[in-house]
Amino acid sequence: GAGVSQSPRYKVAKRGQDVALRCDPISGHVSLFWYQQALGQGPEFLTYFQNEAQLDKSGLPSDRFFAERPEGSVSTLKIQRTQQEDSAVYLCASSLAAGPYEQYFGPGTRLTVT
Amino acid sequence: EDQVTQSPEALRLQEGESSSLNCSYTVSGLRGLFWYRQDPGKGPEFLFTLYSAGEEKEKERLKATLTKKESFLHITAPKPEDSATYLCAVQASGGSYIPTFGRGTSLIVHP
Repeated sequence: GAGVSQSPRYKVAKRGQDVALRCDPISGHVSLFWYQQALGQGPEFLTYFQNEAQLDKSGLPSDRFFAERPEGSVSTLKIQRTQQEDSAVYLCASSLAAGPYEQYFGPGTRLTVT
Repeated sequence: EDQVTQSPEALRLQEGESSSLNCSYTVSGLRGLFWYRQDPGKGPEFLFTLYSAGEEKEKERLKATLTKKESFLHITAPKPEDSATYLCAVQASGGSYIPTFGRGTSLIVHP
């Protein structure tokens, strides 16, 4: 069956460029999470949506990071004026509903800022 | 603040050599503890959810157990295809549904 998909899989950006990362969750999944994962680390929370509502964005590192999910399905994570420290894998996950439900992860987008 | 500590950071086993991975956690109240497997270049893949102390779940060569302070992932007679990073995450009770992940244990099983 269709899982969570992310695009692009790899993105190389020059410092100062804007990037947009896309996540297609599993159909019908209410909750959507964005994480940042550095090499050798666990996923670090960035932001959380329940349907189209962004309920928590406390993990976003700076105001250069912005996420949206306008119709409660596809989500986009945008990073403005990228910096080298933004280089990481960005993971998207969806779950059936709010609560102690397992999350289904996409393959991630590896962002490299040069 | 919720904390999750996984040990060891890395583990090398011979095929057939059983062992356990540890996940110690500190939360105000536990809503759920999750185990995931992550292969290189891929997103984490869900394995188990445990909700209360004393609970156990099994899947093939893996068995997860839970106490009030830690969880163990027991691997019985591992095979090379079990090589991966194993991640533990906790979701605390209360209003937030955001899980806190540990840094993972990198497991390599040699044939």
